[in-house]
Amino acid sequence: RKEVEQDPGPFNVPEGATVAFNCTYSNSASQSFFWYRQDCRKEPKLLMSVYSSGNEDGRFTAQLNRASQYISLLIRDSKLSDSATYLCVVSGAGSYQLTFGKGTKLSVIP
Amino acid sequence: GAVVSQHPSRVICKSGTSVKIECRSLDFQATTMFWYRQFPKQSLMLMATSNEGSKATYEQGVEKDKFLINHASLTLSTLTVTSAHPEDSSFYICSASRATNEKLFFGSGTQLSVL
Repeated sequence: RKEVEQDPGPFNVPEGATVAFNCTYSNSASQSFFWYRQDCRKEPKLLMSVYSSGNEDGRFTAQLNRASQYISLLIRDSKLSDSATYLCVVSGAGSYQLTFGKGTKLSVIP
Repeated sequence: GAVVSQHPSRVICKSGTSVKIECRSLDFQATTMFWYRQFPKQSLMLMATSNEGSKATYEQGVEKDKFLINHASLTLSTLTVTSAHPEDSSFYICSASRATNEKLFFGSGTQLSVL
């Protein structure tokens, strides 16, 4: 089983749609969880951290289920500018190292 | 916020030459930095962990003699691709964080093209 798994997509959605991405991780000792956004040929940029209690930032909502080792990202009211690859990222206990999923590509269509 | 600077942003070189990429943390000290490589349409793959004042830790399958890492100060790590070949053409990105389990800040990446 891969350490961090994501559906690669692509997800092609119309503007205004709601889209959800899922991610599973294999290491139950993982401690920190993040969603990064990466535009083509650019560096990944932190979108949001993910907490067990769930967290929301505007149109973006992230959820973590430790029991199922599952992370999700929900984007509401999609904008054209949301088109990018979304990376699920996990770090281990006491470690700086992050493990990246392969990313899910999102294309928001006018 | 924290900023990580990476230079150069793009390099085109002939096969057999060596290329050095610099990664600097601008407003914090980074005892550990990370180097990643990304091939087109693939995920970021960790190449090595750069530790200030000690040897880098390389991931399986990454040749340490080909990808030389030097982390001589708390704010600078360098990656040298020695005797580059066309198959080394890729997007190289460095990253650093202030502390364990904190978010990573990334350099802007270096697109290496070996002719």
